[in-house]
Formats: sequence, structure tokens, C-alpha cells
Amino acid sequence: QQKVQQSPESLSVPEGGMASLNCTSSDRNFQYFWWYRQHSGEGPKALMSIFSDGDKKEGRFTAHLNKASLHVSLHIRDSQPSDSALYFCAASEPGYQNFYFGKGTSLTVIP
Amino acid sequence: EAAVTQSPRNKVAVTGGKVTLSCNQTNNHNNMYWYRQDTGHGLRLIHYSYGAGSTEKGDIPDGYKASRPSQENFSLILELATPSQTSVYFCASGEVGGAREQYFGPGTRLTVL
Repeated sequence: QQKVQQSPESLSVPEGGMASLNCTSSDRNFQYFWWYRQHSGEGPKALMSIFSDGDKKEGRFTAHLNKASLHVSLHIRDSQPSDSALYFCAASEPGYQNFYFGKGTSLTVIP
Repeated sequence: EAAVTQSPRNKVAVTGGKVTLSCNQTNNHNNMYWYRQDTGHGLRLIHYSYGAGSTEKGDIPDGYKASRPSQENFSLILELATPSQTSVYFCASGEVGGAREQYFGPGTRLTVL
């Protein structure tokens, strides 16, 4: 069973718009959540992490975590064509050295 | 910037042949990982290592072996390649713990005919 579920599978937003990506987990032991971004032809790269309930903002990117509902989201404001990529949610638990990755959300920003 | 390199970047192999994918990291990270990426499946963990001489099975280890001869190098070995192993393979390195970022290489595209 997939421990990390992402939605939607794909998303298109106009340039300058807001993109919202969602991630839910089925394991209450997860404490560490990451968002990774992968541009076509490249390896994934960590975008941001969130370990505490609430919001974390880095530039145009805001992550939100609600541990009670096991839900984490990523919001991209003022989306740019360069934001077009595959976005992965990843989760891990204390004492565990690996990540569980979701299947990814493909974001397309339309100029 | 942490650096992970992979070779080869592209590989075409024949069914039943042996394939070795190589990974090198200059980050002095203890942990290294091999993933495969397929459409509809995301990133799936094949093998990982906590340090030189150690290898551990991930979620989909069948048909794969791994070797960690040094802190810097981690190899993925397909002894008898099959068409179902056609995929893009990524190596990653990271410090200990889920609170620490994993750094990925550029990937190897493997086609098994």
C-alpha cells in the first residue's frame, strides 16, 4: 500500500496563477515531510521541508502541514513557466533513514 | 553544492546480459540510495547503504544487487537484465535521518532489449 498519496496527478495553471498540490500519508509515525521538484531530464531536487504544524514560507512557495490529518500541501503563488516540473512529496519517521515518496504531481504553467 | 554523479547516463543492454550502474558522491555522506522511476509509480527504493561495506534491501530489490566498496561509490548490478528493468535509475546520497535532505544524481536511462 502506498504510504504517501499525492493529488492531483497533473495540474495546469496560467502564468501568474496559484498552484496547489496535496499530499496525504497513512502512517502516523511520519514526522518529516519534504517536497522535491524534478525538471524534465534531471534528478529530483529538494524544494523545501516542513516538520512542524502550520505554514512555512520560502519565497513564492508555502508548505502547510497538519499532522493530525496527516496532510501536507504546497502552494506556489505567481507561478512561472520555470515551475513546470514533477513535484514529489516525501515522508520519513524518526529513527528511519529512508523516505517514502509519493507518485508525484505534474505541474504545467501555461504562458 | 552537494554532488552526485552517475555513469553511464544512457545504456542499452540485451536480455540476460549483466549491467552495472555506477554512482559517485563527493559529499562524504554516509547514506546512499538507488531508486528507479517509472511513469505511474514515482520513485521506488531498490537498495540503500549506510556506509562502506553495507547494503540493505529496499522496497523492490528482486533482480538487483548492490555494492558499496567505499564511502564515495555505490553500484547497482543487474546480473541477468530483463525488459521489465527498462527504467530511469537515480542514485542519491544523504546524511543520517529523515530530517536531512537527499541529493540526487542526474539519472541513468536503461533500456533492456
